[in-house]
Amino acid sequence: GAGVSQSPRYKVTKRGQDVALRCDPISGHVSLYWYRQALGQGPEFLTYFNYEAQQDKSGLPNDRFSAERPEGSISTLTIQRTEQRDSAMYRCASSTRVIYAEVTDTQYFGPGTRLTVL
Amino acid sequence: GDSVTQMEGPVTLSEEAFLTINCTYTATGYPSLFWYVQYPGEGLQLLLKATKADDKGSNKGFEATYRKETTSFHLEKGSVQVSDSAVYFCALKGSYIPTFGRGTSLIVHP
Repeated sequence: GAGVSQSPRYKVTKRGQDVALRCDPISGHVSLYWYRQALGQGPEFLTYFNYEAQQDKSGLPNDRFSAERPEGSISTLTIQRTEQRDSAMYRCASSTRVIYAEVTDTQYFGPGTRLTVL
Repeated sequence: GDSVTQMEGPVTLSEEAFLTINCTYTATGYPSLFWYVQYPGEGLQLLLKATKADDKGSNKGFEATYRKETTSFHLEKGSVQVSDSAVYFCALKGSYIPTFGRGTSLIVHP
């Protein structure tokens, strides 16, 4: 079946513009994560959802970043008034289970969106 | 807080050489441990995992053993191939928030 997809794959924007990054998880997956990955680093947690509920947004860097998943499937990460320091790869991952206390769950990653802020 | 430390890359090997990529971690409680692999232009894929002490995860000839006494989860393969060239990430999950290492690039020459 289809894996996790993300769009756009590449986004170049000017400082001050808003951007919206989309994640389409594997069908039926209930948990969805967003990560940011700087060059030469591992993925850094931003936020996650169980179904449509945002369970934790402690990793969002500031209030310019927000995420939603209104119908429990597709999710959008929005960055308002972008800054050059927002340039990074943004990754989405989904998994099957509700993970309140599930530490063994496997996440399936999308290919990422490379964001460049000029 | 939780942390993962991986050996710095790149690791450069000839085909059929033995591979070790070191990973150590700091965590409270009993985390699960993972190795992910990222091929060029693709997303991270789970390579193997171990959920409790002394468990060995294995896949595609790669192995890693969860060593609680040394807080390590080193990745090994007996004979690497050119197609194994990728970036490898060690990760732990003690709760619902995973923590990743910074990745180790592996380059295998024919």
